[in-house]
This record gives sequence, structure tokens and C-alpha cells, in this order.
Amino acid sequence: EAQVTQNPRYLITVTGKKLTVTCSQNMNHEYMSWYRQDPGLGLRQIYYSMNVEVTDKGDVPEGYKVSRKEKRNFPLILESPSPNQTSLYFCASSSGRFVEQYFGPGTRLTVT
Amino acid sequence: AQKITQTQPGMFVQEKEAVTLDCTYDTSDPSYGLFWYKQPSSGEMIFLIYQGSYDQQNATEGRYSLNFQKARKSANLVISASQLGDSAMYFCAMREGNRDDKIIFGKGTRLHILP
Repeated sequence: EAQVTQNPRYLITVTGKKLTVTCSQNMNHEYMSWYRQDPGLGLRQIYYSMNVEVTDKGDVPEGYKVSRKEKRNFPLILESPSPNQTSLYFCASSSGRFVEQYFGPGTRLTVT
Repeated sequence: AQKITQTQPGMFVQEKEAVTLDCTYDTSDPSYGLFWYKQPSSGEMIFLIYQGSYDQQNATEGRYSLNFQKARKSANLVISASQLGDSAMYFCAMREGNRDDKIIFGKGTRLHILP
């Protein structure tokens, strides 16, 4: 089954404790993105990747890091999480720019 | 800079009626794609329909159609014969064809279908 998986689905953590949210797709897609969704703000792109070792900043990259060492995986790293990073996070992938993105199920992160 | 505007934060529509969700966009790139996604209360993001900037015809997918008015920079989603299951959050998004892959989403419209 074609899918994007994210782990964990839910995470409660404390300020400053490094964490990684994993994202994996099994569709051999080149394009991957991370978004955060906050009430009233829609989805905002954090980082994107157009292929292995090719990543760039989206609209809200501060406080986040990513890497793309393999085509299927695109982890999101929060080196020192802060409460303002409490949000719902989505990973997405697509085979091109002008086709649909496939979204993961989301990761709800709470930073206290 | 890219911009997507969805002016209707919420809408209430009677079941079986048609509904139009508004989306206007702004871009200087002649090549771009417009997308609509649905997010039900369960939280997943579901792709509905796509319109390319060079497409001559308005996109249609079952009960969904996109009213694309390029000169006005609008890409409204039309849902015909609405159903209770259409109650959800709807997002318009744009992706440009330049060297970057920045994707912009609107803030969304929450649609409530009334029985």
C-alpha cells in the first residue's frame, strides 16, 4: 500500500530535549516536505527536499533541521524544542510538483 | 511572493445544495499549480483536485470542480450536491514551477453540512 508514515504520532516533551520525528514514504517520491498546522494559520511549510541531499527552507524553518540521506526518509529534528513549537506536524511526498502530495497521518507534538 | 487567501473561515450549507469555497492567489510565476485538500475531523489530509496554470479546461473530479479564473487569480472549489460527509476543513494550496519548491496553503474554510 502506498503510504507516508510518521513516528511518533503523539509526543509530549520538555523544553530543550532534542527530538526527531521520522517520516518515510514507499512510493519512490523525489519531493518531500514538512509542515506544521496551527489553528487559524493553515499549514505552513517548514522545510522541503527535492531529492537526496537536496533540502531547503520553507516559510517557517527556525528551530528545525532536516536531512535527506535516503530517498524514502526525511526526518524532522528539533534540537532544542520550545513551547512555541507545540503543533500538529505533517510530512508529505509527491512524485513531481504538479501532482498531489501524499500526507502522513500527522504528529501531535506538545512541548512543556 | 506567493500568497493564498481563503476569505471564508466557516460556512454552513444545507445538505444536497451546491457549495462554493473561495480561493484567491497571487504569484508572479506564469507556471503554477493549484490544489484543494480536505481535512475531516479525523485529521488526515485528502487530495481533492488539481488545476495547472496552463490548463485550458476547469478541472473536475466527481462532485468536485474547480472554477479557475486566471485573470482574476481565483480558483474556487465547487462541491455539487453536498453530503454530510463533506463537513470538514478545506485548504487551497499553490505550488510554483520555479526552481524552488515552496508550497503555500491558505488558512482554510471550515464547511458544515446541515441535515
